[in-house]
Amino acid sequence: AQSVSQHNHHVILSEAASLELGCNYSYGGTVNLFWYVQYPGQHLQLLLKYFSGDPLVKGIKGFEAEFIKSKFSFNLRKPSVQWSDTAEYFCAVTPGGADGLTFGKGTHLIIQP
Amino acid sequence: NAGVTQTPKFQVLKTGQSMTLQCAQDMNHEYMSWYRQDPGMGLRLIHYSVGAGITDQGEVPNGYNVSRSTTEDFPLRLLSAAPSQTSVYFCASSRDLNQPQHFGDGTRLSIL
Repeated sequence: AQSVSQHNHHVILSEAASLELGCNYSYGGTVNLFWYVQYPGQHLQLLLKYFSGDPLVKGIKGFEAEFIKSKFSFNLRKPSVQWSDTAEYFCAVTPGGADGLTFGKGTHLIIQP
Repeated sequence: NAGVTQTPKFQVLKTGQSMTLQCAQDMNHEYMSWYRQDPGMGLRLIHYSVGAGITDQGEVPNGYNVSRSTTEDFPLRLLSAAPSQTSVYFCASSRDLNQPQHFGDGTRLSIL
């Protein structure tokens, strides 16, 4: 079965700092990749997704992620974070055509004003 | 457009009680799933369904049953609640299992 690893469980940044959250997965075949965000007290929302094509994908709120197949990675980036980005971020993977979505354990991001 | 609706939002049970968490979606999605969210564990897939009449087990199915008699509804049943099932439960749906999931607001369940 596939697994997803998020390297940082807690990240604290100041406003305007740059952000990169790591995500690695273990499945060797074709995958669909997602980043979800969960703001305090809310349900998960999709930030961005990668199915195929350009490995650099752009999502909502200035987030982007790069799929590096050789590294089995799908890291999330944002050049300048805001206080409102405080949330929990989940990387998720589904192998094309099989099983369900596997989530990483999440990264709790805190942005200090 | 209501999206994915979960009821109840909060529930407290005693060990050994049974209950059903309801999930309904109005987007005509074929794929529906249940996750539990625990601190430090992320979301773990309990059961999923790729269409009416079809269900399958996820990563942590023990202690839970599901059924999918209609496209819209995907209830999750706890047959005999245990304290280890204290968690926040999310239902999600999508057009198919490879598409982005639409999540409900969650059910916070405490088992005493």
